[in-house]
Amino acid sequence: GESVGLHLPTLSVQEGDNSIINCAYSNSASDYFIWYKQESGKGPQFIIDIRSNMDKRQGQRVTVLLNKTVKHLSLQIAATQPGDSAVYFCAENNGNNRLAFGKGNQVVVIP
Amino acid sequence: NAGVMQNPRHLVRRRGQEARLRCSPMKGHSHVYWYRQLPEEGLKFMVYLQKENIIDESGMPKERFSAEFPKEGPSILRIQQVVRGDSAAYFCASSPVGRATGELFFGEGSRLTVL
Repeated sequence: GESVGLHLPTLSVQEGDNSIINCAYSNSASDYFIWYKQESGKGPQFIIDIRSNMDKRQGQRVTVLLNKTVKHLSLQIAATQPGDSAVYFCAENNGNNRLAFGKGNQVVVIP
Repeated sequence: NAGVMQNPRHLVRRRGQEARLRCSPMKGHSHVYWYRQLPEEGLKFMVYLQKENIIDESGMPKERFSAEFPKEGPSILRIQQVVRGDSAAYFCASSPVGRATGELFFGEGSRLTVL
């Protein structure tokens, strides 16, 4: 979703439930997309990536879905855990690993 | 295998001073990237360097900012005559190859505060 002012969109999720984080990207020519997780005071950590010739990719507890028609990316986290609390960014690779990051979504896991 | 190392982690400068941020890539990585993050925003690409070469500096401000990655030693991001708007977290990332691998390895960042 879009950020409003200085506040990140926040998803509060009960521990054990599934989380879905959405992202709209802008460059229809992008062929590579990545989800990063950033915990407070730390650098971004790679979660999962997907190429534009795919529409779904699964990892451990995470699934990324890509809809090129509407330029939409989503990250699904299964059985959300307290350690999943962080800000999640989608990014598109515009070549030369020149990543264009979205504004981020805060996930808060309620124990 | 140590990750990407950045220092200092925190840096305070007064307006007009210089800031130097250092980045040592992961062992075996020869490609370094610098990104800037303003509060509650995503990272913005600044520059991409290989050893002794600037490959892409399309995200670097035209003035006061420079970056290098010498043959020996860490990559340096230098900001001259800092202004309050330079206050941000600066992240360095490295990769073993320059193509779109996706998995850039990021450091913990250097947080610059300009008084």
